[in-house]
Amino acid sequence: QVTLRESGPALVKPTQTLTLTCTFSGFSLSTSGMCVSWIRQPPGKALEWLARIDWDDDKYYSTSLKTRLTISKDTSKNQVVLTMTNMDPVDTATYYCARILGGTSCYAGSFDYWGQGTLVTVSS
Amino acid sequence: QSALTQPPSASGSPGQSVTISCTGTSSDVGGYNYVSWHQQRPGKAPKLMIYEVSKRPSGVPDRFSGSRSGNTASLTVSGLQAEDEADYYCSSYAGSNNLVFGGGTKLTVL
Repeated sequence: QVTLRESGPALVKPTQTLTLTCTFSGFSLSTSGMCVSWIRQPPGKALEWLARIDWDDDKYYSTSLKTRLTISKDTSKNQVVLTMTNMDPVDTATYYCARILGGTSCYAGSFDYWGQGTLVTVSS
Repeated sequence: QSALTQPPSASGSPGQSVTISCTGTSSDVGGYNYVSWHQQRPGKAPKLMIYEVSKRPSGVPDRFSGSRSGNTASLTVSGLQAEDEADYYCSSYAGSNNLVFGGGTKLTVL
């Protein structure tokens, strides 16, 4: 059974760095072709892809946010970590991690399992 | 890259069919066979309904179908049911390992 769960602070102050952890089970990120992405959704707004890490440790970032994002993985702990620097109130959103559907390309956007999301509010 | 364009809302009566469009460019929707559709009910995580333009994951009813013409992809829901009421988001590969989402469409079952 595949599950993903996001964890991290619910509230951060402007200019602070956000660190989110995605803990997953039911699959291995060391399996060839597997990858995990982070996606966010501001309240009442659309989804936005943020970053992706692949089984071979390749990392990819949203063009508009790449200077602020870092993604990493700990395969032994089944975790993917996302850090976002210089947080701003416009970064208030629910942050999701999601796994790509097996057999599809990592960049295809076909996410078959998602975490429940974690709401991060940026406010002083 | 810009977000894909979806109509804010769509509606239909039970049993009817409704089609939701997703318009991009030749650099995303029209350039790659990597359009996906996700359904999102209020307060829930998105659920994959269509991938690679027209493929259905296991467990998704065949009432849901996807297609593409040029730079516009479409999601058609046939035989509308009350449980289909949700937000629907398209996404597309946009090259250089970038993924772009649409603005979302709220589907109402009348």
